[in-house]
Amino acid sequence: DAKTTQPPSMDCAEGRAANLPCNHSTISGNEYVYWYRQIHSQGPQYIIHGLKNNETNEMASLIITEDRKSSTLILPHATLRDTAVYYCIVKGNEKLTFGTGTRLTIIP
Amino acid sequence: KAGVTQTPRYLIKTRGQQVTLSCSPISGHRSVSWYQQTPGQGLQFLFEYFSETQRNKGNFPGRFSGRQFSNSRSEMNVSTLELGDSALYLCASSPNTGGRETQYFGPGTRLLVL
Repeated sequence: DAKTTQPPSMDCAEGRAANLPCNHSTISGNEYVYWYRQIHSQGPQYIIHGLKNNETNEMASLIITEDRKSSTLILPHATLRDTAVYYCIVKGNEKLTFGTGTRLTIIP
Repeated sequence: KAGVTQTPRYLIKTRGQQVTLSCSPISGHRSVSWYQQTPGQGLQFLFEYFSETQRNKGNFPGRFSGRQFSNSRSEMNVSTLELGDSALYLCASSPNTGGRETQYFGPGTRLLVL
């Protein structure tokens, strides 16, 4: 079973920041938080991952709370191309376990 | 670097047939994982290969098998196809195996079983 909880859907206006929350209250000390997204019928695309520090790359920022029980993926300036299902995954040494994710819709 | 490639991209088979799907990982990547995605079950892990050895296996029947070659390319085979095997089959590669390795996915092979 997936170890994360995400809202099933969210909307965000084009050009605004999209903030996608994820709860992972049972995360272990050696487990990473990964974010992927999947645009309709394509393979999942890696976005970002982190252990306990906040991370930023060219796609997004990842904010992990100090207790590591939740995190937020931030897309700073959402575009229509960011419409996708976003998966938050807690990963240790085992396989990726995908939940149902958050369907993010960017509104023009 | 070129990404993960999967062939064929689309496939139609009939019940009882078998099918072989191919995955070429990113150059230098030695771990290949396979996933099945269906509308009802979502994305589910099938198995992982590293250095030509199966490292992890998901909860799928023995009709699903795979292998990895010395160049890290991988194939998965499904025998005696059932209607429920219709799915998007995804391959992902990573440099090595283990928790710190980021997996990169290919575009998938969409299999339709009639």
